[in-house]
Amino acid sequence: GESVGLHLPTLSVQEGDNSIINCAYSNSASDYFIWYKQESGKGPQFIIDIRSNMDKRQGQRVTVLLNKTVKHLSLQIAATQPGDSAVYFCAETNLQGAQKLVFGQGTRLTINP
Amino acid sequence: GAGVSQSPSNKVTEKGKDVELRCDPISGHTALYWYRQSLGQGLEFLIYFQGNSAPDKSGLPSDRFSAERTGGSVSTLTIQRTQQEDSAVYLCASSLEGFSGSPLHFGNGTRLTVT
Repeated sequence: GESVGLHLPTLSVQEGDNSIINCAYSNSASDYFIWYKQESGKGPQFIIDIRSNMDKRQGQRVTVLLNKTVKHLSLQIAATQPGDSAVYFCAETNLQGAQKLVFGQGTRLTINP
Repeated sequence: GAGVSQSPSNKVTEKGKDVELRCDPISGHTALYWYRQSLGQGLEFLIYFQGNSAPDKSGLPSDRFSAERTGGSVSTLTIQRTQQEDSAVYLCASSLEGFSGSPLHFGNGTRLTVT
């Protein structure tokens, strides 16, 4: 989950379609994961979180899936809308160790009309 | 209610000058964080304040960077003798508690440009 590189992965989907954004995290001891959405010129906005004792959590139009075996996290957005266009970051931490929140590289999602 | 407020929203400074960035966290939030975001990159942790505990400064990139939090509320990030590589967006966040499962709420950041 460490931030690397200068070019964000990108994903383009048609409005109304579902999108899946993936994240590979780095620390097997991480037990709390968060997805953030960042629009241009704004700070990251909390979307949804999940603890390691769960493998799936649903919100409004969003679902987060956690696979601890392969250290993989995904964010599914249903029925995408133009307002979903943004950069999406996953973040991980270890609550037991009160570790700082570490952000992934980010994925730029573009919703095409 | 009011969110995290940062000022200034933009700052242009000459190389070698000192700058101060301000963060007003959400009222009642005991934890405050500073992150840095370079163009097109993710967020880099800088420093973390939790209540009256000693701050976690492990992310500060050099001794030119310092931060303080007065009265458990407002925080100031100071960069001395700025360098061009300091150019970035500096984001402040607060949360109800520390890294205990309460989400971070971010401000819109201060965009620092060092010329």
